Amino acid sequence: KAGVTQTPRYLIKTRGQQVTLSCSPISGHRSVSWYQQTPGQGLQFLFEYFSETQRNKGNFPGRFSGRQFSNSRSEMNVSTLELGDSALYLCASSRGRGNTEAFFGQGTRLTVV
Amino acid sequence: GENVEQHPSTLSVQEGDSAVIKCTYSDSASNYFPWYKQELGKGPQLIIDIRSNVGEKKDQRIAVTLNKTAKHFSLHITETQPEDSAVYFCAASIPIQAGTALIFGKGTTLSVSS
Repeated sequence: KAGVTQTPRYLIKTRGQQVTLSCSPISGHRSVSWYQQTPGQGLQFLFEYFSETQRNKGNFPGRFSGRQFSNSRSEMNVSTLELGDSALYLCASSRGRGNTEAFFGQGTRLTVV
Repeated sequence: GENVEQHPSTLSVQEGDSAVIKCTYSDSASNYFPWYKQELGKGPQLIIDIRSNVGEKKDQRIAVTLNKTAKHFSLHITETQPEDSAVYFCAASIPIQAGTALIFGKGTTLSVSS
């Protein structure tokens, strides 16, 4: 059974640009959550998608957005990139919602220069 | 706001020793507590979890205990091996908006020397 797949693995962008990251969850999983991981702040919840709808959102500015498609694949978009957006972006998939096991992908390492 | 505190931040043990990592949480509504292991260049891997209706859970060399009254939970690794070296994260579920989210501790870097 394939795990969670995130693409691309690495990205370098310039301040002010925008970026789109992709996540394919485990087959049969319908919930996708996104997290930002930095050395200073650790793992922070961005948002969760289930059945193509954003169900929850963490404490991040509106520059961070996402969507989910009918096949449960999800994309995350960051607009007007800032240096502080440099981080490892992780996607986690779960079978359902609420307190079910969450499995992470390998992440996308975003560097903003 | 809600938070999860994790201690210690670094832990060095000799192969064969036990390792214990402790976490405390603040939201009494938390009822799901997973532990993750993250190796360099990889995403976090779920290694064990516990729900609030259980006090202890064991899986081979790994065990987790939960004290809901004190809002403490701990990871115990026995007979440590060099391949156990990694960063370990605890997490607690919190109610948020239309569901739940996981709040993570800052991580413990475990080094097992042979």
